[in-house]
Amino acid sequence: NFMLTQPHSVSESPGKTVTISCTRSSGSIAFNFVQWYQQRPGSSPTIVIYEDNQRPSGVPDRFSGSIDSSSNSASLTISGLKTEDEADYYCQSYDTSMVFGGGTKLTVV
Amino acid sequence: QVQLQESGPGLVKPSQTLSLTCTVSRGSISSGSFYWNWIRQPAGKGLEWIGHIYTSGSTNYNPSLKSRVTFSLDTSRDQFSLKLTSVTAADTAVYFCARGGRYEWSAPDCWGQGTLVTVSS
Repeated sequence: NFMLTQPHSVSESPGKTVTISCTRSSGSIAFNFVQWYQQRPGSSPTIVIYEDNQRPSGVPDRFSGSIDSSSNSASLTISGLKTEDEADYYCQSYDTSMVFGGGTKLTVV
Repeated sequence: QVQLQESGPGLVKPSQTLSLTCTVSRGSISSGSFYWNWIRQPAGKGLEWIGHIYTSGSTNYNPSLKSRVTFSLDTSRDQFSLKLTSVTAADTAVYFCARGGRYEWSAPDCWGQGTLVTVSS
């Protein structure tokens, strides 16, 4: 199976834009959809992006997703950062199993 | 909006079997065709997919756990269950149940609150 690698942590100021990467170790990132989940401390994950770049209803358009075949990676971009965006973010994809990235802790300070 | 709730023992002894149930409310497990997932998260660590069971009862397990895991469905009670045998301390985690979509790899979009299971003597 493959792995999804994320940076352990990122930090940015309120109002700024941050991008979290998710690199697939083998197989093309474009072969299978990528999802992104937000998990606040003590809570269950909630989906913020599905099928690479689709936003569920209720998720602000400050959240966007993309994939880059050249780097075999997916990205989650959050613009106009708010303190409430501080959370852990996980990418997820699949082939014959569902695979999660290791998670990225976003700090907004 | 459908709701999911995990239940089961919070403490399991090493080498024994961990058993959890997920109860679906505000919806029926057999209305529509969905994939029902189990996912776990050790304290301070990332998410690990355990597997899913389809409305028909067909299953797909994480290869790393496949030899120890069994899922089942009880549509009359709107529940699905997880059994994990021969547990060790490495199985200590928060266990989530989550509803997937109508396609096998649709993103789990509705999660339970999670239940902590500790493996210790």
